[in-house]
Amino acid sequence: DAMVIQNPRYQVTQFGKPVTLSCSQTLNHNVMYWYQQKSSQAPKLLFHYYDKDFNNEADTPDNFQSRRPNTSFCFLDIRSPGLGDAAMYLCATSRTRTGTDTQYFGPGTRLTVL
Amino acid sequence: AQKITQTQPGMFVQEKEAVTLDCTYDTSDPSYGLFWYKQPSSGEMIFLIYQGSYDQQNATEGRYSLNFQKARKSANLVISASQLGDSAMYFCAPRDDSTLGRLYFGRGTQLTVWP
Repeated sequence: DAMVIQNPRYQVTQFGKPVTLSCSQTLNHNVMYWYQQKSSQAPKLLFHYYDKDFNNEADTPDNFQSRRPNTSFCFLDIRSPGLGDAAMYLCATSRTRTGTDTQYFGPGTRLTVL
Repeated sequence: AQKITQTQPGMFVQEKEAVTLDCTYDTSDPSYGLFWYKQPSSGEMIFLIYQGSYDQQNATEGRYSLNFQKARKSANLVISASQLGDSAMYFCAPRDDSTLGRLYFGRGTQLTVWP
């Protein structure tokens, strides 16, 4: 049974057209993360939520926003996608933020910007 | 940020043989976890195995085991009896309390299993 679900799996958008990616979880975990992974690179953390507390990474562009309306769902909004935002977007969850807790990932959303 | 070194960009192994993927890391926090993930071409990041910094024994999970050398800050992944489905990118990622549990990924090792 899927524990971290991402929709859609593939998303195509046009340059500058806002897009929203969705993540949901059935694990009842407190923490939800969004990573960006460009081709042939390691994943890069964009931000995370600890409960309702939003934590942005210092180098995450303002173009990226996130919402977490409840424990189960988290959204990634890209306000004006550029060609450089084409990437795999991975959502992950963990029970706490301690170093010994496992992060579980969803299947990812592959974003194409035309 | 943590420094993670995976020195093997690509590895090749014949089916049914064992293979070792290297990982060294740098953390000053005495309490941390070391995680290995597998990423096939589909893109999903699959959790494989975990080693806690205070664990006395090396972690094992089916065909996966870790050669954990704490003093050297090294945690090499050993895959025994390789299968064609093991062909994927493998990432080493430490995680500690001082960084609010962020995962820092190495550059990865692309493993190819051939028949």
